[in-house]
Amino acid sequence: DAGVTQSPTHLIKTRGQHVTLRCSPISGHKSVSWYQQVLGQGPQFIFQYYEKEERGRGNFPDRFSARQFPNYSSELNVNALLLGDSALYLCASSLAGRGSNTGELFFGEGSRLTVL
Amino acid sequence: ILNVEQSPQSLHVQEGDSTNFTCSFPSSNFYALHWYRWETAKSPEALFVMTLNGDEKKKGRISATLNTKEGYSYLYIKGSQPEDSATYLCAFSAGAGGTSYGKLTFGQGTILTVHP
Repeated sequence: DAGVTQSPTHLIKTRGQHVTLRCSPISGHKSVSWYQQVLGQGPQFIFQYYEKEERGRGNFPDRFSARQFPNYSSELNVNALLLGDSALYLCASSLAGRGSNTGELFFGEGSRLTVL
Repeated sequence: ILNVEQSPQSLHVQEGDSTNFTCSFPSSNFYALHWYRWETAKSPEALFVMTLNGDEKKKGRISATLNTKEGYSYLYIKGSQPEDSATYLCAFSAGAGGTSYGKLTFGQGTILTVHP
């Protein structure tokens, strides 16, 4: 079975540009979360989506947005990129909701964004 | 603001040594405590999800304990092997119910290096 897949794996942007990162969850998982990981720190929560609705948002500016599609895949969009947005962006899916009791996250390998 | 702290930040041990790490977290509104192993160039992988005070879980040479009243968890590795080299992350989940799933607050991680 395929795990969580993310694309692109690496990308380079310049300040002011926007970026779209994509995530496909494990089949059957309806919850997708996004995390930002900066070197030397643990992953920081950005968004959680469940059944196409935003269920949680971390302390990130409005330049960050996301959505979940009917097939449960998700996109993370970042507008007006800043140098400080350079990071590894991780997507995770889980069996949240009815029938699930662990909340265990299954992560993709991440999208490495470099802003110049 | 939730604060999850891990210690030590990094650890170098010899093959065969046993080692342990600490994760401290808020003791109020506890829902679950997760441990993940993150090997270089791979995705974080769940080791344990613990929900009950006094929980002890084991997977091979790795085990973990949980104290929710005082807000700490220990991860133990017995007889460390070079393949155990990775960053070990703990993450705290607050609240209860479906809305807590996928929203984790991570510590900064403990980087373990096991020398042959």
